[in-house]
Amino acid sequence: GAVVSQHPSWVICKSGTSVKIECRSLDFQATTMFWYRQFPKQSLMLMATSNEGSKATYEQGVEKDKFLINHASLTLSTLTVTSAHPEDSSFYICSARRTSSGANVLTFGAGSRLTVL
Amino acid sequence: GEDVEQSLFLSVREGDSSVINCTYTDSSSTYLYWYKQEPGAGLQLLTYIFSNMDMKQDQRLTVLLNKKDKHLSLRIADTQTGDSAIYFCAERRNNAGNMLTFGGGTRLMVKP
Repeated sequence: GAVVSQHPSWVICKSGTSVKIECRSLDFQATTMFWYRQFPKQSLMLMATSNEGSKATYEQGVEKDKFLINHASLTLSTLTVTSAHPEDSSFYICSARRTSSGANVLTFGAGSRLTVL
Repeated sequence: GEDVEQSLFLSVREGDSSVINCTYTDSSSTYLYWYKQEPGAGLQLLTYIFSNMDMKQDQRLTVLLNKKDKHLSLRIADTQTGDSAIYFCAERRNNAGNMLTFGGGTRLMVKP
């Protein structure tokens, strides 16, 4: 079945550094991937929609210079948290849309927990 | 099979009923959920149904479950413009702990 892999699953970094999170669709091509952020005990918050070969579409209130998204291939999207601060500590989840055979199916990654010291 | 499938888009007029459909493939599903995602917001749990039920009603929302056909639907009565959003169905499988498998989402557009 469809698998979406996120890496790293867990990262700790110092304030001011940048962290890159990868989202890969392992056995299917995904023209569209989504990045979410989840605060403790809250729902998933959609941050941006990543389209292969074009600029990401960011949701209102999400800083595009802070959260850089690159979707360079049909199987890989990356989220880079630049100049991370403690308030960026969160659980980041990606999902990939699979549209083979006309189906519209989202597969979620297991998430990446970022802790900024 | 592991898929939860939904159509991409639904457009209705204000005051009409909306029916959003979802199919799933895993017969071990225990709970099935409907989530709503408004622009800029996170997923909001609307309602859920246990797999041994075939219908659940909650105000304007009616969930119908056909286990034989593995088909789930969400009916919104008297649809309002505020109902415009993306609706996700999700299933919790018996052997998957707390993990949910989501459909791709159906964008509901309500025209005045």
